[in-house]
Amino acid sequence: GQQVQQSPASLVLQEGENAELQCNFSTSLNSMQWFYQRPGGSLVSLFYNPSGTKHSGRLTSTTVIKERRSSLHISSSQTTDSGTYLCALGLHSNYQLIWGSGTKLIIKP
Amino acid sequence: DTTVKQNPRYKLARVGKPVNLICSQTMNHDTMYWYQKKPNQAPKLLLFYYDKILNREADTFEKFQSSRPNNSFCSLYIGSAGLEYSAMYLCASSRVGLYAEQFFGPGTRLTVL
Repeated sequence: GQQVQQSPASLVLQEGENAELQCNFSTSLNSMQWFYQRPGGSLVSLFYNPSGTKHSGRLTSTTVIKERRSSLHISSSQTTDSGTYLCALGLHSNYQLIWGSGTKLIIKP
Repeated sequence: DTTVKQNPRYKLARVGKPVNLICSQTMNHDTMYWYQKKPNQAPKLLLFYYDKILNREADTFEKFQSSRPNNSFCSLYIGSAGLEYSAMYLCASSRVGLYAEQFFGPGTRLTVL
């Protein structure tokens, strides 16, 4: 079965609202990374967060290993936050990243 | 400097012609990766080098070659491009260890005509 479940698949919010994106994983974790995907396909690294909570401006990432989940919180969303967000799980057993299917976020003005 | 560089940023190729993409990093990372990214799909790992050892994914084994002449550089080579090779190609690097963050380059957009 799929090792990383990302939700929601899409999210539409009004500017100023908060966004909560989730990744749930079914296997043991080595690392968790969050990316923003630009329209052309290149990736912007947002967080490397194998455990605990990290902050960067309006973004917060929380990984709870025991509960096998990681979240990305965007506070006071802006239209420029619109795009696709990907989580990627790194496994203990090999070098691969297991990717979530992505959340398409649309922030309306 | 935690950047991974890729050249060229855009590449136009003809069907049947070879394509060579270049990646470099100066973080002394022992592992370098190549991914293929198509619209609405997750990045697909094509191959990676751990030090001088090349590991290629089974389903892309015959389609992509790579070389790593030194620790900093890694290339991705397509011997005969097909239309299905049109995609974004992402290079990444990491250090082997318990917590191995992968650092990604900006990508090369390959269009095959």
